[in-house]
Amino acid sequence: QKEVEQDPGPLSVPEGAIVSLNCTYSNSAFQYFMWYRQYSRKGPELLMYTYSSGNKEDGRFTAQVDKSSKYISLFIRDSQPSDSATYLCAIATNAGKSTFGDGTTLTVKP
Amino acid sequence: GAVVSQHPSWVICKSGTSVKIECRSLDFQATTMFWYRQFPKQSLMLMATSNEGSKATYEQGVEKDKFLINHASLTLSTLTVTSAHPEDSSFYICSEALGRSNEQFFGPGTRLTVL
Repeated sequence: QKEVEQDPGPLSVPEGAIVSLNCTYSNSAFQYFMWYRQYSRKGPELLMYTYSSGNKEDGRFTAQVDKSSKYISLFIRDSQPSDSATYLCAIATNAGKSTFGDGTTLTVKP
Repeated sequence: GAVVSQHPSWVICKSGTSVKIECRSLDFQATTMFWYRQFPKQSLMLMATSNEGSKATYEQGVEKDKFLINHASLTLSTLTVTSAHPEDSSFYICSEALGRSNEQFFGPGTRLTVL
């Protein structure tokens, strides 16, 4: 079993839709939770970072962490075609090394 | 966030040659940098953790004699793919971590094609 499971999709939504991306993890020692966005042939870009259960909001993006269920989510409101990318969840312990999900490919259609 | 550059952005080489990829931190002194490899439509695979002034820590299954990592300064880490073969063709990405926060800032990646 992988330490981090992420549905690879692909996920296709119309412009303006709310997008929900999810990951589950198995190790309760994980304390830090990140979401990255990666455009094709580019390096990943950090979108959200949190270390506690609950919600964290940044513009159209909301990261949600449920440590009791070992479940994290990223919500994108009012999705735009420019949001089309691969989204990677990443989870880390105190050791400084992150474990990445396989990524979910999102397409937002105009 | 931090700004990381990589050079070259893409390289094509013949089988058996060595290729050096540079990763620079442009606005931050990074004691720790990470090197990843990513095959098409797959996630990031951590190859090694590069620590300034010390030997890199390689992940299981990564040949340290084939993928040489040097982190001689706080702003520069290099990955050298020695005696490259077609199966080494991939997208290589470096990142730097800010302190112990686990936030990583990635370079733009280097696409290596070995003929």
